[in-house]
Amino acid sequence: EAGVAQSPRYKIIEKRQSVAFWCNPISGHATLYWYQQILGQGPKLLIQFQNNGVVDDSQLPKDRFSAERLKGVDSTLKIQPAKLEDSAVYLCASSLTGVQFFGPGTRLTVL
Amino acid sequence: KQEVTQIPAALSVPEGENLVLNCSFTDSAIYNLQWFRQDPGKGLTSLLLIQSSQREQTSGRLNASLDKSSGRSTLYIAASQPGDSATYLCAVSSPADFNKFYFGSGTKLNVKP
Repeated sequence: EAGVAQSPRYKIIEKRQSVAFWCNPISGHATLYWYQQILGQGPKLLIQFQNNGVVDDSQLPKDRFSAERLKGVDSTLKIQPAKLEDSAVYLCASSLTGVQFFGPGTRLTVL
Repeated sequence: KQEVTQIPAALSVPEGENLVLNCSFTDSAIYNLQWFRQDPGKGLTSLLLIQSSQREQTSGRLNASLDKSSGRSTLYIAASQPGDSATYLCAVSSPADFNKFYFGSGTKLNVKP
């Protein structure tokens, strides 16, 4: 069984630029999560999808972050414009029965 | 809002020692609790999942316990090995928040050969 795929693995941009991350969950997993993990901290949930609907986006900075899961399968997370404090690892996870499976993450550096 | 705390933040032990990692949470109304391992530069790997109705789960040298009434979970690692060196994270899901997961900051474990 293929795991959760994410791309790119690394991204370096300058502040005020835009960036997009892609996630393909495990086949059949209805729930998809995007997390932000700052160095030395645990992951913080940004947005949770159930199929193609948003369940929770209370901690998503909506003035600059957006996410979509149009067909209920893969998902993209966008930041526009990026700030220095957005430097972090962005993790995608999927779940079917409550057990979360994580992708390898995208390490974003904002200069 | 659920808050999850992990103590200690870092732990260094000699190879072969048995050890316990702690996780505490403020709201006992959880759906489940999951322990993860994170290697440097990698994503999270699920180790054990304990449903709210369960008291413990075991996998190989790992045993996780859950005491909802006191808001605590422990991860016991028997006969530690250098390959166990990683950061261990616990997460609890809250039914009041659509089973949203709340993570602790992790315990960074170093097992010395």
